[in-house]
Amino acid sequence: GDSVTQMEGPVTLSEEAFLTINCTYTATGYPSLFWYVQYPGEGLQLLLKATKADDKGSNKGFEATYRKETTSFHLEKGSVQVSDSAVYFCALIRFDYGGSQGNLIFGKGTKLSVKP
Amino acid sequence: KAGVTQTPRYLIKTRGQQVTLSCSPISGHRSVSWYQQTPGQGLQFLFEYFSETQRNKGNFPGRFSGRQFSNSRSEMNVSTLELGDSALYLCASSLGLNSPLHFGNGTRLTVT
Repeated sequence: GDSVTQMEGPVTLSEEAFLTINCTYTATGYPSLFWYVQYPGEGLQLLLKATKADDKGSNKGFEATYRKETTSFHLEKGSVQVSDSAVYFCALIRFDYGGSQGNLIFGKGTKLSVKP
Repeated sequence: KAGVTQTPRYLIKTRGQQVTLSCSPISGHRSVSWYQQTPGQGLQFLFEYFSETQRNKGNFPGRFSGRQFSNSRSEMNVSTLELGDSALYLCASSLGLNSPLHFGNGTRLTVT
């Protein structure tokens, strides 16, 4: 079945460091890919998305490129801030298989801690 | 505009009991989904409702059920609670089936 694999956390970085969180997926067909972020004590928020190969999603300085050849959607940010400390989830949905955005398949999440 | 509201925020129940969790979606949103979040399994899809109809269901036992009302508010029920049902239950709403999800802050259920 479809699945998402994220790098194990936690990830601890100093402020202004470069961030990469790896995400790879397994799915037949043409999934849409998402990154969600969960701040302490809160629900998830959509960070960015990409709906087809080679699309780049971006938001708040974060970027991710949909790479069909490597089945990857790695999250990157050039300079992290303390306020970026959160748990990040990679997710996919296969609209061509009757899925909807209410039925996302999530990775296990990667906890990021940014130290001042 | 009010976000997705889940009640209660915290709940403690005893094994064998049943529980009902409530979710009020963002005004105008017709689709509501439920997810279970645990440290071991991560986020797992429970079910999705659209206009009072269950559209999708995840791989959970029949003890887990849900419904959606005409005002789009949704409830989920878990009967005969087990220790393994302890989790954060997240509700998400969206305008339609292919619109972005907006999550609530969740209900933390502890089964003792």
